[in-house]
Amino acid sequence: TQLLEQSPQFLSIQEGENLTVYCNSSSVFSSLQWYRQEPGEGPVLLVTVVTGGEVKKLKRLTFQFGDARKDSSLHITAAQPGDTGLYLCAGGGRGNKLVFGAGTILRVKS
Amino acid sequence: NAGVTQTPKFQVLKTGQSMTLQCAQDMNHNSMYWYRQDPGMGLRLIYYSASEGTTDKGEVPNGYNVSRLNKREFSLRLESAAPSQTSVYFCASSAGTGQRNTIYFGEGSWLTVV
Repeated sequence: TQLLEQSPQFLSIQEGENLTVYCNSSSVFSSLQWYRQEPGEGPVLLVTVVTGGEVKKLKRLTFQFGDARKDSSLHITAAQPGDTGLYLCAGGGRGNKLVFGAGTILRVKS
Repeated sequence: NAGVTQTPKFQVLKTGQSMTLQCAQDMNHNSMYWYRQDPGMGLRLIYYSASEGTTDKGEVPNGYNVSRLNKREFSLRLESAAPSQTSVYFCASSAGTGQRNTIYFGEGSWLTVV
């Protein structure tokens, strides 16, 4: 079974701080997606990374796919209260089925 | 644009009761999915339909059945609800099943089985 472990599980920081969320596995994934979910809503795709070592930037968010395609990270610069939510990573697994991590709950306090 | 719409939003069932969660998408997507989300466990795939007329089991199919009624609609049925099926259920769709396809999720259905 392919598993994705996310860390930390919870993160509470002050507005303006930087943070990094990690997504790790012992399995190789052909692609890695990051989603953000707000309370009472479904997850929304932020980015897909497909190449080992790939780095993608989305405003203050930087996503990196590990060289071996077993891990990924999400870095947020100067976090804002609007960044609060549940961040989920998902890997392209066998049979084109996505495997989701348990998520990181981020709270940014103003 | 409605996107993915699922009903009901909230439901309380007694153990042993049956119910169907309805889902419809208006994006002309080929593939549809049902996930459940439990605290600390992320999203787990229950069933999916790669295209109209086909359905396949996901990671946690036991206790559920699905019907791909047409290209737009994909329903999830609990024949005899159990407390372990208390969860938040998400319907989703994508243009295809390739790993680079964007999956669009509905807003979720909160189900409590007592």
